[in-house]
Amino acid sequence: DAKTTQPNSMESNEEEPVHLPCNHSTISGTDYIHWYRQLPSQGPEYVIHGLTSNVNNRMASLAIAEDRKSSTLILHRATLRDAAVYYCILRDGRTGLDSSYKLIFGSGTRLLVRP
Amino acid sequence: EAGVAQSPRYKIIEKRQSVAFWCNPISGHATLYWYQQILGQGPKLLIQFQNNGVVDDSQLPKDRFSAERLKGVDSTLKIQPAKLEDSAVYLCASSLYSYYSGANTGELFFGEGSRLTVL
Repeated sequence: DAKTTQPNSMESNEEEPVHLPCNHSTISGTDYIHWYRQLPSQGPEYVIHGLTSNVNNRMASLAIAEDRKSSTLILHRATLRDAAVYYCILRDGRTGLDSSYKLIFGSGTRLLVRP
Repeated sequence: EAGVAQSPRYKIIEKRQSVAFWCNPISGHATLYWYQQILGQGPKLLIQFQNNGVVDDSQLPKDRFSAERLKGVDSTLKIQPAKLEDSAVYLCASSLYSYYSGANTGELFFGEGSRLTVL
């Protein structure tokens, strides 16, 4: 499985933007980039995913480098509720394989939001 | 829409005892996953089902762990006998993803997990 590298922890102030980086230098052409987050005492929840183009949704934006070897999850205005562990995951997009839609989590980035 | 349901939320047992966790996925979700999350680590995939068939169980310690999804809906994960290192949160997730059709936009929905403490 292709590997991702994320900082162990980051800090942000409330109501400021947060940029969470992820390196995935061994990404293949069919790998999707997924982000999940895990709030304390809860299961992970989906945030966003993309393949090549930048993506926006109501929770966040995903900026993907042109060579796809890195990506950044952007929270436009951090709130205290955004304090969580954020996981960047590569998913094999080829169909009909036993690796398809298998999400392998790393240790993620723990985001601390200061009031 | 109801989410992924798991029970029990908490379980404390002594080593060498057995335990079972139950998961009811979101209605219509073909794919079901069991993950193990040890404190301070990311979730580790134990087993993945597509309907009632196993897609991947390469990380399941089969000498003590077993899982089934007999009717392709709810699932049970069993540990027998438990060891101290099995203390963890056991997360169940489901997805609309179909192994055969390969819909690439389905996200995983997780339950709140079952926290196991082995003494």
